[in-house]
Amino acid sequence: KAGVTQTPRYLIKTRGQQVTLSCSPISGHRSVSWYQQTPGQGLQFLFEYFSETQRNKGNFPGRFSGRQFSNSRSEMNVSTLELGDSALYLCASSFQRTVGEQYFGPGTRLTVT
Amino acid sequence: DQQVKQNSPSLSVQEGRISILNCDYTNSMFDYFLWYKKYPAEGPTFLISISSIKDKNEDGRFTVFLNKSAKHLSLHIVPSQPGDSAVYFCAASDSLIQGAQKLVFGQGTRLTINP
Repeated sequence: KAGVTQTPRYLIKTRGQQVTLSCSPISGHRSVSWYQQTPGQGLQFLFEYFSETQRNKGNFPGRFSGRQFSNSRSEMNVSTLELGDSALYLCASSFQRTVGEQYFGPGTRLTVT
Repeated sequence: DQQVKQNSPSLSVQEGRISILNCDYTNSMFDYFLWYKKYPAEGPTFLISISSIKDKNEDGRFTVFLNKSAKHLSLHIVPSQPGDSAVYFCAASDSLIQGAQKLVFGQGTRLTINP
């Protein structure tokens, strides 16, 4: 079974631009979560989608948004990029609706200059 | 407010010995705990989990212990192998209020296994 895939793997953007990251979950998984990893803050929860609905959201500004499609693929968008948005963005998928382990993709390394 | 804390940024253990990684939490509503391992340039890999109704869970060389009264959990790796060298993250979720899939992570502990 293929794992979680994320595209692109690396991205360089300039301040003020916007970016869209993509995530394809493991086949059959309907929950997709997004996390931001930075050296200073560690792994922080952004949001989670299940069956195209956002079920939960972390403490990030409205510039961070996401969506999920009917095939469970998910995208996250960051508008008006800031230098502090430089991070590794990780997507994780899960089969269970309630508690259960999440399976992470390799991440997208975003650098904002 | 760091709800999940891993106070040891790094740990060095000799091959064959036991590795013990520790994690403390402050939110008494957490009811599910997980450990992940992360290699450079890869996403975290799930290792083992434990529900708050248990105090121990074992999977091969990995055992997780949960002490709810102390709000403390630990991961034991026996015997330690060179391939275990990685960053280990402790994570917790509060399924009833925050939602099961919202994981709160610790800062990680870098484990190095010396031959």
